[in-house]
Amino acid sequence: DSGVTQTPKHLITATGQRVTLRCSPRSGDLSVYWYQQSLDQGLQFLIHYYNGEERAKGNILERFSAQQFPDLHSELNLSSLELGDSALYFCASSAPLAGAGNEQFFGPGTRLTVL
Amino acid sequence: AQSVAQPEDQVNVAEGNPLTVKCTYSVSGNPYLFWYVQYPNRGLQFLLKYITGDNLVKGSYGFEAEFNKSQTSFHLKKPSALVSDSALYFCAFLTGSARQLTFGSGTQLTVLP
Repeated sequence: DSGVTQTPKHLITATGQRVTLRCSPRSGDLSVYWYQQSLDQGLQFLIHYYNGEERAKGNILERFSAQQFPDLHSELNLSSLELGDSALYFCASSAPLAGAGNEQFFGPGTRLTVL
Repeated sequence: AQSVAQPEDQVNVAEGNPLTVKCTYSVSGNPYLFWYVQYPNRGLQFLLKYITGDNLVKGSYGFEAEFNKSQTSFHLKKPSALVSDSALYFCAFLTGSARQLTFGSGTQLTVLP
């Protein structure tokens, strides 16, 4: 158990809908990363938050957004869903020290299926 | 563009034999390299990392990896494979202002009993 929790585990929804994925980082970790894993794109970085502030964006669609709250949990919002958004979405957290090379600890993921 | 490559989609090895999962990198400067493992329906688990120092890095579950600068490789190894080692393995490096991970395409390791 990595200490990172994600809810829900599975999500089935229809095209055009909006969903929210939730992540709680390990105790003490200030950084939260979101990744998407799909068969055609592999594992891709989406967005990073540090202590409530957005720090970097990767291959994140404009229909997607995220935030990190004062208690450090994070939510990834996916809207106007398309079939191609079906994927496994991972959250990861890392230690707060500003050192290079801190490993990231991954949650179990949320499997999103868009029908 | 900087990247890591995992040239083998699938590796099969007999239980008890040594295993190697290959990774080569194209990263400028001093790369920070990682190996993660993903079991079915599970998240990614950290195995080991190379930041600096000794080229031979030891990690979890008996795995180790050797950083080879001249060959730009970071192959994952284990002296004696277990059936329970069967999983999807990812090589990755840290990049960007957020120090996010960029992953290789993954290698499915199957250990045959």
